[in-house]
Amino acid sequence: GDSVTQMEGPVTLSEEAFLTINCTYTATGYPSLFWYVQYPGEGLQLLLKATKADDKGSNKGFEATYRKETTSFHLEKGSVQVSDSAVYFCALSDQGGGNKLTFGTGTQLKVEL
Amino acid sequence: GAVVSQHPSRVICKSGTSVKIECRSLDFQATTMFWYRQFPKQSLMLMATSNEGSKATYEQGVEKDKFLINHASLTLSTLTVASAHPEDSSFYICSAYTGMGELFFGEGSRLTVL
Repeated sequence: GDSVTQMEGPVTLSEEAFLTINCTYTATGYPSLFWYVQYPGEGLQLLLKATKADDKGSNKGFEATYRKETTSFHLEKGSVQVSDSAVYFCALSDQGGGNKLTFGTGTQLKVEL
Repeated sequence: GAVVSQHPSRVICKSGTSVKIECRSLDFQATTMFWYRQFPKQSLMLMATSNEGSKATYEQGVEKDKFLINHASLTLSTLTVASAHPEDSSFYICSAYTGMGELFFGEGSRLTVL
């Protein structure tokens, strides 16, 4: 079945540092890929998505590129801020519509001054 | 933007009691709602898919008699944990699908069974 593997956290960075959170997946067919973010005390929010190979999703300075050859969708940001501290979830949907998701375990990011 | 609200956000109950968690879409009609369970340091596990006016579709290994799901309207789905036991303690999250490619999540409900 489908699965998503994320790097384990927590990840602690200083403000303005470069961020990479690795995500790889296993799926049949051609899934859509997502990154969700969960800020403390809030629900999951869609951060970015990509629906086909070589697509790049981007939002709020975060980027991730759908790499079919390496089955990866790594999340990157060039300069993190304290306000980026949250839990980040990689997810896939094999139905195209993004409605039924398989999640990774989540990676907690803590950004310090 | 669209908002999904869960209630209660936290609940503590005694073993053997039943607990109901509500999931509401506040400004849109949700054709489909999903219920997830999240264990500490683990991913969200899909429990069931709920379509308005029909029976929920449960994932393999999820006890339908333990986790009762009702989707009585296009804006409300409820999850009832029947005769809860300590092993049912977890973080339960719902999501609602707009039917137009967007999915929104509730804030989650933490259940603690003593």
